[in-house]
Amino acid sequence: AIWMTQSPSLLSASTGDRVTINCRMSQGISSHLAWYQQKPGKAPELLIYAASTLQSGVPARFSGSGSGTDFTLTISCLQSEDFATYYCQQYYYFPPTFGQGTKVEIK
Amino acid sequence: QITLKESGPTLVKPTQTLTLTCTFSGFSLSTSGVGVGWIRQPPGKALEWLALIYWDDDKRYSPSLKSRLTITKDTSKNQVVLTVTNMDPVDTATYYCAHSHSGDYEFDSWGQGTLVTVSS
Repeated sequence: AIWMTQSPSLLSASTGDRVTINCRMSQGISSHLAWYQQKPGKAPELLIYAASTLQSGVPARFSGSGSGTDFTLTISCLQSEDFATYYCQQYYYFPPTFGQGTKVEIK
Repeated sequence: QITLKESGPTLVKPTQTLTLTCTFSGFSLSTSGVGVGWIRQPPGKALEWLALIYWDDDKRYSPSLKSRLTITKDTSKNQVVLTVTNMDPVDTATYYCAHSHSGDYEFDSWGQGTLVTVSS
């Protein structure tokens, strides 16, 4: 089974900050990684797929990078609407699996 | 615009079978490459992928739950149905259906989710 380590689990930041969230795999997954944002009581929303491709309609302040085992989601300038929980998902190995989530809270 | 909406019971008893329906619009499940999946999320916990059905009726299930899951589609009604047998309190979760445009397992549109509680 593939292991995913998403870090940090909690991130305290201020509006305007640059934040990074990491996702590390126990085995290489090429670029088969997606990032989702979830706000309380709402469904997840796809931000990035194929590790670095921005989903249509997602602001350009979100970016993804990495391949193989190490991946990063970066928010270049945190906005108030970005305070949420973020999940990575690998879909190279079956079954697809999600990270444990990173909650971005107001500092 | 793609929309999906889950429907089904909010409360089931242990050992009962859960049947959830996903009704969608804005795409056809007969279009090559398209899939509809189910993902669940226990309260306060992470997401767990359950099942996926493809445009060609190919089906994939989570290995840990495969014996309890069945996914079907009714293309004429724009619906996908998930059944989960032998429900247990640990199956209490919000259940989401979601659209995959690529035939892969990333989901670009999600339903609002439906909370299912398992309790006697």
